[in-house]
Amino acid sequence: DAKTTQPPSMDCAEGRAANLPCNHSTISGNEYVYWYRQIHSQGPQYIIHGLKNNETNEMASLIITEDRKSSTLILPHATLRDTAVYYCIVSFLISSGSARQLTFGSGTQLTVLP
Amino acid sequence: SAVISQKPSRDICQRGTSLTIQCQVDSQVTMMFWYRQQPGQSLTLIATANQGSEATYESGFVIDKFPISRPNLTFSTLTVSNMSPEDSSIYLCSVTRNTGELFFGEGSRLTVL
Repeated sequence: DAKTTQPPSMDCAEGRAANLPCNHSTISGNEYVYWYRQIHSQGPQYIIHGLKNNETNEMASLIITEDRKSSTLILPHATLRDTAVYYCIVSFLISSGSARQLTFGSGTQLTVLP
Repeated sequence: SAVISQKPSRDICQRGTSLTIQCQVDSQVTMMFWYRQQPGQSLTLIATANQGSEATYESGFVIDKFPISRPNLTFSTLTVSNMSPEDSSIYLCSVTRNTGELFFGEGSRLTVL
């Protein structure tokens, strides 16, 4: 899997958009960008994933640059409950066969401030 | 999504003892994955558990220390044997879905005194 680089920590004001960057300059053509988050003392939670196009779901939006070397996870209206460690992972489409190769880096600690 | 239940959610154990963690999934899955998360660290894959065959362990993890059972397609156990304080971690069970996602249980927080 390609390595990813994320800032170790970020703050965001409650109600504002939280934009979490991720660099993955060595991503290959068939690798997806996945985002997970882990709220303190809980199991990681899947957020979103994408290949080339921007993606949006009920939790967040994922913006992938045209060259696919970086991406941004956007939480449109951050709440205190969004305080968590956010992991950006690059992987082939996760399946039983590829999950072994997943690598969780250090992630970004997002703190949403009141 | 997948519903994954782990037991116990947390435990405090004495050095030298063993603890078995259970993972129950709400539907049949081919593979189940066991992760460890040491305090302040990211997740590390321990092993992959296939039904009907021996688990596949990652570098740095051995069967004698972390024996795994996979008796059917919805259940697995991970045992942490002969525990020491260095084994204090969160242990997580996870499964994949055809949608290309990896789902995690809530984890089992183990403290070894």
